[in-house]
Amino acid sequence: GAVVSQHPSWVICKSGTSVKIECRSLDFQATTMFWYRQFPKQSLMLMATSNEGSKATYEQGVEKDKFLINHASLTLSTLTVTSAHPEDSSFYICSCPGQGPHFYNSPLHFGNGTRLTVT
Amino acid sequence: SQELEQSPQSLIVQEGKNLTINCTSSKTLYGLYWYKQKYGEGLIFLMMLQKGGEEKSHEKITAKLDEKKQQSSLHITASQPSHAGIYLCGADVEDTGNQFYFGTGTSLTVIP
Repeated sequence: GAVVSQHPSWVICKSGTSVKIECRSLDFQATTMFWYRQFPKQSLMLMATSNEGSKATYEQGVEKDKFLINHASLTLSTLTVTSAHPEDSSFYICSCPGQGPHFYNSPLHFGNGTRLTVT
Repeated sequence: SQELEQSPQSLIVQEGKNLTINCTSSKTLYGLYWYKQKYGEGLIFLMMLQKGGEEKSHEKITAKLDEKKQQSSLHITASQPSHAGIYLCGADVEDTGNQFYFGTGTSLTVIP
């Protein structure tokens, strides 16, 4: 079964509204969560890395005030797209290491993604 | 910045043909993962390579990591329509602060 639960799986919202995407780790603690965005026919681009109890690290070119990340507990990380616009329409997916931060020694777990459409 | 470059960007092959996808970094890779995906859907984990020179196979898919741990290849033998999708390599790249990046992706179409 899924080890990372991501909700919602799809959402349609009006321009100017905010949308929150949640990723929950099931049966394990996720100290680190990676957030990715994917446009059609493109790869997954890392947006930011959230760490429980500290500020998220954003990749260059990603507006931290627009894409708010909160990692308040060891099992929940959220991405809020604020004042969404049509160009924010995309596929968003979260991922975290299964055991600790050294993911290259353990498998990564992915949420099933959220398809966001902003009208 | 794109830490991992994949080639080719897209590939169209006849069913039954072999194909190879490459993933290259200018820096050392700490663990190289291969995934398959369709846009808007989750990722399917294929293989993980950790050691220089490592090679793994599963069914008709073989992945290799070079000795320098800067390049990996994914080879599909006797391709089938079920192999169609987007293939992504992913890795933690040296000097990037423990972030996990994906390659540029390769879109594979298999013609029956």
